[in-house]
Amino acid sequence: QVHLQQWGARLLKPSETLSLTCDVSGGSFSGYHWSWIRQPPGKGLEWIGEVSHTGNSYYNPSLKSRVTISIDTSKNQFSLELSSVTAADTAVYYCARVDIVVVVDGIIHDAFDIWGQGTSVTVSS
Amino acid sequence: QPVLTQPPSVSGTPGQRVTLSCSGSTSNIGGNYNFVYWYQQLPGTAPKLLIYRNNQRPSGVPARFSGTQSGTSASLAISELRSEDEADYYCAAWDDSLPGQVFGGGTKVTVL
Repeated sequence: QVHLQQWGARLLKPSETLSLTCDVSGGSFSGYHWSWIRQPPGKGLEWIGEVSHTGNSYYNPSLKSRVTISIDTSKNQFSLELSSVTAADTAVYYCARVDIVVVVDGIIHDAFDIWGQGTSVTVSS
Repeated sequence: QPVLTQPPSVSGTPGQRVTLSCSGSTSNIGGNYNFVYWYQQLPGTAPKLLIYRNNQRPSGVPARFSGTQSGTSASLAISELRSEDEADYYCAAWDDSLPGQVFGGGTKVTVL
């Protein structure tokens, strides 16, 4: 049974860097993408980005200049860094596994099939 | 503004059938290999995969939940509505124009 456990700082000041880590246990790390999604209070889900097990990354264009998603295959962990945070970055942050299906002319970014428990991050001076 | 459009709320009585809509464009829902996914988020919990690849149910999801897709729109139907179905429901798809994953704004289902 694959399990995602996430952690990181929950209270940040404006201009600081948000840093979260997600540990993957109970299953294979390769063959999937690994993603971060956030949800501001009372609002919907926003995709932040995802990384393949080989390190290829895709980012939300609206956050791309501030986001880095990295992967550590030796520890079966992946991480999120979001720089220069403001109050607008206050949200619950989720890590999630992305199933990948290989097709003739590329890949299908399939379902977010397993989610972490979420980390509530507040940005306040 | 979310890329995919969902109605903010839908309500029904126990036993009723309700349908949630999700509207997109040719770069996401209507694209080649761009399937629609549905997630259920119960209050205070992480989202859970409900439907994948337009109409497939993961193991453990009741058959009361079904998905369809046509052109640039998709629907999630919940039949035999139950009180435990009260939740927020989100549609999602890969968008070739970003490229990246996009979500709808979510639909809150209320069981009256």
